Formats: sequence, C-alpha cells, structure tokens
Amino acid sequence: DVKVTQSSRYLVKRTGEKVFLECVQDMDHENMFWYRQDPGLGLRLIYFSYDVKMKEKGDIPEGYSVSREKKERFSLILESASTNQTSMYLCASFEGTDTQYFGPGTRLTVL
Amino acid sequence: DQQVKQNSPSLSVQEGRISILNCDYTNSMFDYFLWYKKYPAEGPTFLISISSIKDKNEDGRFTVFLNKSAKHLSLHIVPSQPGDSAVYFCAAGWGNTPLVFGKGTRLSVIA
Repeated sequence: DVKVTQSSRYLVKRTGEKVFLECVQDMDHENMFWYRQDPGLGLRLIYFSYDVKMKEKGDIPEGYSVSREKKERFSLILESASTNQTSMYLCASFEGTDTQYFGPGTRLTVL
Repeated sequence: DQQVKQNSPSLSVQEGRISILNCDYTNSMFDYFLWYKKYPAEGPTFLISISSIKDKNEDGRFTVFLNKSAKHLSLHIVPSQPGDSAVYFCAAGWGNTPLVFGKGTRLSVIA
C-alpha cells in the first residue's frame, strides 16, 4: 500500500515566520508534488520535482520554495508566512501514468 | 486558462438515485483521466481512472465514461449512498507531466 505522509495535520503560525512542511513517500516514486486546496479554487500546483535536487515551478510558486535532498522526501518552505497562505496543503507522488497518491494534508493557519 | 473544467460546483442527489458528475477538458494531449474523492480535512483519494483508448471503465458502483470527440468525461455513481457525499475532483494528464485538476464538485447525497 502506497503511503504518503505529511509531518503535521494542523499547524498554526504567525505572519513572518518561516514554515516547513515535510512530505515523505515510501514507493520510490520519482515524481512528487505540492498543491494547495482552497474552496472554489480546487487543487493548485505550487511546485513539483521529477528527481532528487530537481524542482519545477507549478502554477502558483510565489512565496514558496521547495527542497528535494532525498528521493522519498519533498519539503515545502514558506520563507515568510502571510495570511493569504492559510490553506490546506497537499503532497502527492506518482510514477509515470500510475495513480497519483496524496498525503492526508496539512491545514495551515497563518495569524 | 482552465484546461479541466467542472462546471457544477455542487450537486444534490437522493439516496439510491444516480449521481452524474461532469468534466470537460480542452487539451488534446491528455491521454488519461482520473477521478478523486475528497472528504473535509483529508487528502484526495483515488476513485477510478480511464485511458484515452477506452470509452468506459467500471468499478462497482462507479463508472467513468469518456467522449473524446466532445472532450468530455463523466462519473456515474449508482446507487448513490450518503457516504458518497464529498468533493469530487476530475484530473487529466499525459506522459510524465503533472496532473491538471478541475475545481471540484461537491456532491451531497440526501437520505
């Protein structure tokens, strides 16, 4: 059974704080993704990575950065959190045309 | 420019009846399509997929139909159950590129 885990289910941070969201997958997938989900906007791609040390911008990369030092781990970084980054963050991994598997999500609130 | 559109933000159906969720796409390169189901505060879970070489795929109560000439797919749930109440996302992809998601349709199945 594929497992994608995220470090926190719920997180509350203050404006200006640096925030790290961690994602780990156990299927040896090369491709990993970070999305945010907001009501009425669906799933929007922030960043993705096809391999270790590689990263590509998605549709809404502004205010975010990522790190992929190991194949199984993909981190999303908010350098200076802002209130408009309050959202549900979803990590996913997949290989080729296989199903994309999602983690349970992190609900981030920025005060 | 939305490549994958779910034009109905919400749908209400009585228990036992058929639920039909629709999705339109614009990119002719898409060669596989997926449906995901999402409960609040959880990550999306894969439901069913279809390759562009097929026009129908069935899995229990769930059937996905693909009309390539119309660039349209639909998810049928028969019979609908209260536990099916969730947000359903349509997604499309090709090759190794990231999936493109629609904005979702909230299905409410009324007992």
